[in-house]
Amino acid sequence: EPEVTQTPSHQVTQMGQEVILRCVPISNHLYFYWYRQILGQKVEFLVSFYNNEISEKSEIFDDQFSVERPDGSNFTLKIRSTKLEDSAMYFCASSNQGPRDFGPGTRLTVT
Amino acid sequence: ILNVEQSPQSLHVQEGDSTNFTCSFPSSNFYALHWYRWETAKSPEALFVMTLNGDEKKKGRISATLNTKEGYSYLYIKGSQPEDSATYLCAFRSGNTGKLIFGQGTTLQVKP
Repeated sequence: EPEVTQTPSHQVTQMGQEVILRCVPISNHLYFYWYRQILGQKVEFLVSFYNNEISEKSEIFDDQFSVERPDGSNFTLKIRSTKLEDSAMYFCASSNQGPRDFGPGTRLTVT
Repeated sequence: ILNVEQSPQSLHVQEGDSTNFTCSFPSSNFYALHWYRWETAKSPEALFVMTLNGDEKKKGRISATLNTKEGYSYLYIKGSQPEDSATYLCAFRSGNTGKLIFGQGTTLQVKP
């Protein structure tokens, strides 16, 4: 059964550095998402992406964040200058009209 | 601010017990309610997407009901097994958005 994959599984970075989190969604899906979960908090929506553009974003998704689908298979989340409060588990998801298929997550630790 | 609440936060049951937990969500502008099962270090797994008031869905020993007028959904597990141990997440989708708003999850531990 096809699944969403994410790399790396764990990323440690220093405050102020740029990070790119990578995802390979399910190949015939049209909608792509990033969510995150800060330790002890709820899973929260960051951004959705459809037809090569952002369709919706949350207040968290400020100018420090960007998404890209560079080659028709990968879907990336870039954080330009990481802050301590960006430490979280980041989940990629993809879907058509039904349930979202989630990846296993990338744990980002900002020190 | 749209809020989704789940209860209880955690649950410990014996193998063979049946159990249920609750998801409360806004009753206005409802579009869909998603249930996910999430085991540690794995991807959250979609269980159900429920859209109609009165919906009942079943997958093996797991079933769910939906009441959109009062804003709640129940998830039932019949005859719990140790492999049912996981966190169960519900997520609400309103009519004018594609984003999911998650509850905090119910963590179930089933003791053999």
